[in-house]
Amino acid sequence: GAGVSQTPSNKVTEKGKYVELRCDPISGHTALYWYRQSLGQGPEFLIYFQGTGAADDSGLPNDRFFAVRPEGSVSTLKIQRTERGDSAVYLCASSRGGGVAGNEQFFGPGTRLTVL
Amino acid sequence: AQTVTQSQPEMSVQEAETVTLSCTYDTSESDYYLFWYKQPPSRQMILVIRQEAYKQQNATENRFSVNFQKAAKSFSLKISDSQLGDAAMYFCARWGSGTYKYIFGTGTRLKVLA
Repeated sequence: GAGVSQTPSNKVTEKGKYVELRCDPISGHTALYWYRQSLGQGPEFLIYFQGTGAADDSGLPNDRFFAVRPEGSVSTLKIQRTERGDSAVYLCASSRGGGVAGNEQFFGPGTRLTVL
Repeated sequence: AQTVTQSQPEMSVQEAETVTLSCTYDTSESDYYLFWYKQPPSRQMILVIRQEAYKQQNATENRFSVNFQKAAKSFSLKISDSQLGDAAMYFCARWGSGTYKYIFGTGTRLKVLA
């Protein structure tokens, strides 16, 4: 596609449920990033993939959060036993090569997750 | 600490006037890049301008320019001839060669008054 797409655009769930958020990066982009943006804050780094592997997952807040990118393209962010504090906009971004200095990251429109 | 600070939560500017958004950062890396991103209500982050830290010349992109003061670790964005479409949240971000990830500031909401 022409840009990064994310689905769903909005997700409402109940506390304790499991959710999956999907990101389709720009074709050919090897690097993929997930960020979380809470209300009134800037995006906060969660995890970075280079190809299929997670090169840096230091931003994942706890073991309820997990992300995969099995074929080096689409990525899924998975959140188990959701809590109200997980409510935020989850942004995905891709770039041509994460290891190349200062490569521009192209962002998707985000998924707004609301945990009731 | 690797932080990015935007001290202005909100700014207003009259249409056609000039406004400057402030950003300071902290880093121990010598190789890094600085960015300004715009986020309209649609949530889509759009790159406005970028600056390589090793370059002394300030970046410009049409009506957008930066004032990069490396020693002071300051990176402000100047928007000239402001337009109604410039109204959005603006985020300053730093990318470092040792981390391969963006560190964002908390943002500045820009209002453009007709």
